[in-house]
Amino acid sequence: DAGVTQSPTHLIKTRGQQVTLRCSPKSGHDTVSWYQQALGQGPQFIFQYYEEEERQRGNFPDRFSGHQFPNYSSELNVNALLLGDSALYLCASSLRREVSEQYFGPGTRLTVT
Amino acid sequence: AQRVTQPEKLLSVFKGAPVELKCNYSYSGSPELFWYVQYSRQRLQLLLRHISRESIKGFTADLNKGETSFHLKKPFAQEEDSAMYYCALSVLGARYNFNKFYFGSGTKLNVKP
Repeated sequence: DAGVTQSPTHLIKTRGQQVTLRCSPKSGHDTVSWYQQALGQGPQFIFQYYEEEERQRGNFPDRFSGHQFPNYSSELNVNALLLGDSALYLCASSLRREVSEQYFGPGTRLTVT
Repeated sequence: AQRVTQPEKLLSVFKGAPVELKCNYSYSGSPELFWYVQYSRQRLQLLLRHISRESIKGFTADLNKGETSFHLKKPFAQEEDSAMYYCALSVLGARYNFNKFYFGSGTKLNVKP
């Protein structure tokens, strides 16, 4: 089991564009959470998906949206990119019944120019 | 509002010295607290959580509700303990009975030979 995988590894976008990041959870996991980690900061919770629905959301604008597919994989979409969206985006997966035991992916480094 | 504070960005100790990484939280309800660790070139991983009350790699952490703290301690630091440490708080959201997560900004532990 490769654990949580994320793609792409790095991404460069221009301000105003849209981006989609992808995450495959650890085998057997059904819950996916997304985090934004700015340089020198801790991860900030964006949202969490279970059974293809957004179940919890952090303090992020509607420009940040997501999706979970029947195979539990997930996407994070960010519209109208701002320079401040430049960060490492982390995906974490867990079991619904043990949601606090999260396994993190390596992250996608997004740079907005 | 919920918040996790790690006051030290960097902590340097000599091998064999005791280590204490500080974490304070603000939350009016019943908290669930964790320590995550990120070793060089590795992904973020769970180190321990307060409900387990266990020692992992010689580290322990005690929840002090009176002082709203969850400091991480190890009596004798090893060089392989050098890493980035994040304290995290999980709170039950009002929606769907799912959790939100709050991370501190992290403390870099450097254990010198």
